[in-house]
Amino acid sequence: ETGVTQTPRHLVMGMTNKKSLKCEQHLGHNAMYWYKQSAKKPLELMFVYNFKEQTENNSVPSRFSPECPNSSHLFLHLHTLQPEDSALYLCASSQDGHYGYTFGSGTRLTVV
Amino acid sequence: DAKTTQPNSMESNEEEPVHLPCNHSTISGTDYIHWYRQLPSQGPEYVIHGLTSNVNNRMASLAIAEDRKSSTLILHRATLRDAAVYYCINSGNTPLVFGKGTRLSVIA
Repeated sequence: ETGVTQTPRHLVMGMTNKKSLKCEQHLGHNAMYWYKQSAKKPLELMFVYNFKEQTENNSVPSRFSPECPNSSHLFLHLHTLQPEDSALYLCASSQDGHYGYTFGSGTRLTVV
Repeated sequence: DAKTTQPNSMESNEEEPVHLPCNHSTISGTDYIHWYRQLPSQGPEYVIHGLTSNVNNRMASLAIAEDRKSSTLILHRATLRDAAVYYCINSGNTPLVFGKGTRLSVIA
């Protein structure tokens, strides 16, 4: 365990479903991130939260909706996804956005 | 876009040192050099970071060129568990942007 826990580890969902990915960190960090890693592509930064406020949204489609209720929890709400959204979704946390990002093990999402 | 250039892949024999190069010719004066690695089926993990001086920790050493336009991650004795994708990243106060990294294979 890295200190960042992501659930579920695997998720298969239909294109009309609504699901949520959960991330939890017990490191006392104040910044949290969502990254997407598609097959054979680099990690793509999706969202950034600092002190629970969203500070970055990298042109992510609205079918992905993040939520950060407190500095320890981060959610990614999913609805009407497309098959090309199938990927590994990684959550990370850091203190003040500096070095030492800690990543979770990711959620492997398959959209059918 | 990633601001660093790394070889796509490298190979090493077990128990031998590995030198993973990274070019970052456009690095700014306040950008740190970060190294992360991603083992199969896991998220990336922090390896080491530095600004100007060489750095050592229990995982690796980081050698930074005097002009800061390149750096080298050194694994002193590669083991099979070091097989991973290694990412070199320049970042100041902005979130980390990952490139394709170098896939390191370790041969027993």
